[in-house]
Amino acid sequence: EPEVTQTPSHQVTQMGQEVILRCVPISNHLYFYWYRQILGQKVEFLVSFYNNEISEKSEIFDDQFSVERPDGSNFTLKIRSTKLEDSAMYFCASSRDMDEQFFGPGTRLTVL
Amino acid sequence: GEDVEQSLFLSVREGDSSVINCTYTDSSSTYLYWYKQEPGAGLQLLTYIFSNMDMKQDQRLTVLLNKKDKHLSLRIADTQTGDSAIYFCAESIGTGRRALTFGSGTRLQVQP
Repeated sequence: EPEVTQTPSHQVTQMGQEVILRCVPISNHLYFYWYRQILGQKVEFLVSFYNNEISEKSEIFDDQFSVERPDGSNFTLKIRSTKLEDSAMYFCASSRDMDEQFFGPGTRLTVL
Repeated sequence: GEDVEQSLFLSVREGDSSVINCTYTDSSSTYLYWYKQEPGAGLQLLTYIFSNMDMKQDQRLTVLLNKKDKHLSLRIADTQTGDSAIYFCAESIGTGRRALTFGSGTRLQVQP
């Protein structure tokens, strides 16, 4: 069964460094998303992406965040200058249409 | 604003039915979802219901939607130890909008 994959599973970085989190969505899906879950808190929407552009973003998704689909398979989230409060589990998701969003296993980001 | 609330914990005995409840505030929800998260794993989509439906059944899972009270429930029949996990309800709001708003999750513990 097709699934969303994410790499790495765990990323440790120093405050102020740039990180890129990678995702491979399900191959025939057209909509892509990033969510995050800070430890002990709710899963929060960051951004959605369709037809090579951002279709929706939350207040969390400020100028230090960016997304890209650099080729036909990968979908990336870049955090330019990480802060301690960016430490969280980051989930990528994809959907074919407006209904089912399928989530990847997540990347745990730890900012020291 | 949007808010989704769930009770934090539910304990049942193996073989019993589990009922996990969720309330939401936004009456313009279009889809309502149930996701399952096992320890160290991502979010697994269990089932979803369109807001013009009252009930949906899928094998051991039954979703009930009470639009008047803005109440969603997930019933798991014949609960097994493998059902132990955190269950999240989530909503998407409005046509054309795909961002999911999640509840805080209900931890289901199944006693053998």
